[in-house]
Amino acid sequence: EVQLVESGGGLVQPGGSLRLSCAASGFTFSSYEMNWVRQAPGKGLEWVSHISTSGSDRYYADSVKGRFTISRDDAKNSVYLQMNSLRAEDTAIYFCARSFAVWGQGTLVTVSS
Amino acid sequence: EIVLTQSPGTLSLSPGESATLSCRASQSVSSGYLAWHQQKPGQAPRLLIYDASRRATGIPDRFSGSGSGTDFTLTINRLEPEDFAVYYCQHYRYSPFTFGPGTKVDMK
Repeated sequence: EVQLVESGGGLVQPGGSLRLSCAASGFTFSSYEMNWVRQAPGKGLEWVSHISTSGSDRYYADSVKGRFTISRDDAKNSVYLQMNSLRAEDTAIYFCARSFAVWGQGTLVTVSS
Repeated sequence: EIVLTQSPGTLSLSPGESATLSCRASQSVSSGYLAWHQQKPGQAPRLLIYDASRRATGIPDRFSGSGSGTDFTLTINRLEPEDFAVYYCQHYRYSPFTFGPGTKVDMK
């Protein structure tokens, strides 16, 4: 069964850092581009970041550029999102997605003092 | 950046009726790199349509996508109770891979 499972969310103070993980199973992870998408409470979907199959191409939404870093470890079938300098407006459920075709259930990040 | 606009914001229909959802792009989404996702409360999004008109695996044939360039449509024939949800269009032509604001299909 194709599956994506996110972890690493939680409560963090403004200015703090958090690292999200997404563990993949049921498919050849190294063959797929991966994305992070977030959804603030009661709002729509916002694309956050993309990483290519080789990891050589990485893209970010303007809202997170310079603060977030996407990476992948094909040996561990995982993609990561390192989030620094967190702001209240980063509060959201963060989903990982395989080429936008398969989605995880998400992990909640709350930025609050 | 391609900005996607969806209309209407909310569609109130009864089971058995048909729904027509619109997605308009601020510039051409060449090669039809346009997807439709369905999201129900408390759930992750689910891909319905990709490449503007191709149904994803396991999606019933009452869902169909059409369009090209800047105008795209998702049609849902004979609404089933499980189809009441929010629908988002999204382009993946190039970064940033933006989503539309969504259309909520609710039960009249």
